[in-house]
Amino acid sequence: EVQLMESGGGLVQPGGSLRLSCAASGFTFNDHYMDWVRQAPGKGLEWVGRIRNKAKSYTTEYAASVKGRFTISRDDSKNSLYLQMNSLKTDDTAVYYCAHPHTIAWGGAFDIWGQGTVVTVSS
Amino acid sequence: IQLTQSPSSLSASVGDRVTITCRASQGISNYLAWYQQKPGKAPKLLIYTASTLQSGVPSRFSGSGSGTDFTLTISSLQPEDFATYFCQHLDSYPVTFGQGTKLEIK
Repeated sequence: EVQLMESGGGLVQPGGSLRLSCAASGFTFNDHYMDWVRQAPGKGLEWVGRIRNKAKSYTTEYAASVKGRFTISRDDSKNSLYLQMNSLKTDDTAVYYCAHPHTIAWGGAFDIWGQGTVVTVSS
Repeated sequence: IQLTQSPSSLSASVGDRVTITCRASQGISNYLAWYQQKPGKAPKLLIYTASTLQSGVPSRFSGSGSGTDFTLTISSLQPEDFATYFCQHLDSYPVTFGQGTKLEIK
């Protein structure tokens, strides 16, 4: 069964750090790009960023709102994706999803999503 | 690229035909997807490349459009279709989503 499972969410103070993980199973993880998407309480979806595969040198893209604070990485040997979040702000409070683009070709939509992990930034 | 969905909310009855529109602030070819989200759940992919039905999605869902104007149509609403729908462009970075359309039971 194709599956993504996030972990690592929690309560953190403004200015703090948190590392989210996403465990993948049921597909050849190392071939694929992976994304993070978040959703603030009662709000819409916001794309956070992407990491490409080894063939594309693990290059990354980020939303302007997180660039310089968040870092996406992956460990293909563990079929795992990560999101390191630093200098957290209250606006970063959201459910964070990892998502799988259905193709590495341009325009790949997200056909697999994790269940989400909740990050709350509050003092 | 900004995506504007209309309407923001919609009341309809089982069996109705419903259309949701998504307008892009600039041309995005056909790099548009549609998702359905129910409360407390992750989004579910319905349509990609504007009109391709994702495997396992009922044929009452259809998508059309190219360039800047796109539509999602549900031909005959079923009880399980009441949810929030989002469009997403994948033409360039940053990827963005529309603000969502909440489909409620009349």
